[in-house]
Amino acid sequence: QVQLQESGPGLVKPSETLSLTCSVSGGSISSYFWSWIRQPPGKGLEWIGDIYYSGRTSFNPSLKSRVTISVDTSKSQFSLKLTSVTAADTAVYYCAAYDSSSYSFQHWGQGTLVTVSS
Amino acid sequence: DIQMTQSPSSLSASVGDRVTITCRASRFISSFLNWYQQKPGKAPKLLIHGASSLQSGVPSRFSGGGSGSDFTLTIGSLQPEDFATYYCQQSYSTPHSFGQGTKLEIK
Repeated sequence: QVQLQESGPGLVKPSETLSLTCSVSGGSISSYFWSWIRQPPGKGLEWIGDIYYSGRTSFNPSLKSRVTISVDTSKSQFSLKLTSVTAADTAVYYCAAYDSSSYSFQHWGQGTLVTVSS
Repeated sequence: DIQMTQSPSSLSASVGDRVTITCRASRFISSFLNWYQQKPGKAPKLLIHGASSLQSGVPSRFSGGGSGSDFTLTIGSLQPEDFATYYCQQSYSTPHSFGQGTKLEIK
């Protein structure tokens, strides 16, 4: 069973860069597209982007100019960087495994709350 | 981008009731439609993929239907653990997009 675990700072100052890492266990890093999804408090889900183990990426156009996603296959980890954050970026950030056979997010991390505040 | 619209936004029902949630895509998405259940403080959980395929381990009281742009999630007989928020999500094209959610509450 694939398990994912997010890690990173829970508090980021406005205009700075949000950085999160997702550690993958119980499955091959080459088996899924590795995604980031966020959920502002009390609101719905927003897909941020994903990466394949080859390094190929895809991003939500609404965030593309501020987002970098990278993968470290040797550590079975992938990471998110979101630059120039504002209060609107305050959210629970989830990492998830997108299965290209079922075209669905099959596995999710527990999520981590990132608050943007000075 | 494809917009996903769910109805209703909230729903009150009793244990044992049969409930249906609707999801409409802003354009054709074939059967690339998934349903997730989210409980407070938890990550979403995949229930249905490909519009009607039940994810392994999900009770058979959950069923999905539809194709094209109109879809449904039906819970055949509500159990106490089913009270949660439900999201549809399209994977026909990126950016992947979700409906706004339907909160299912106990009457």
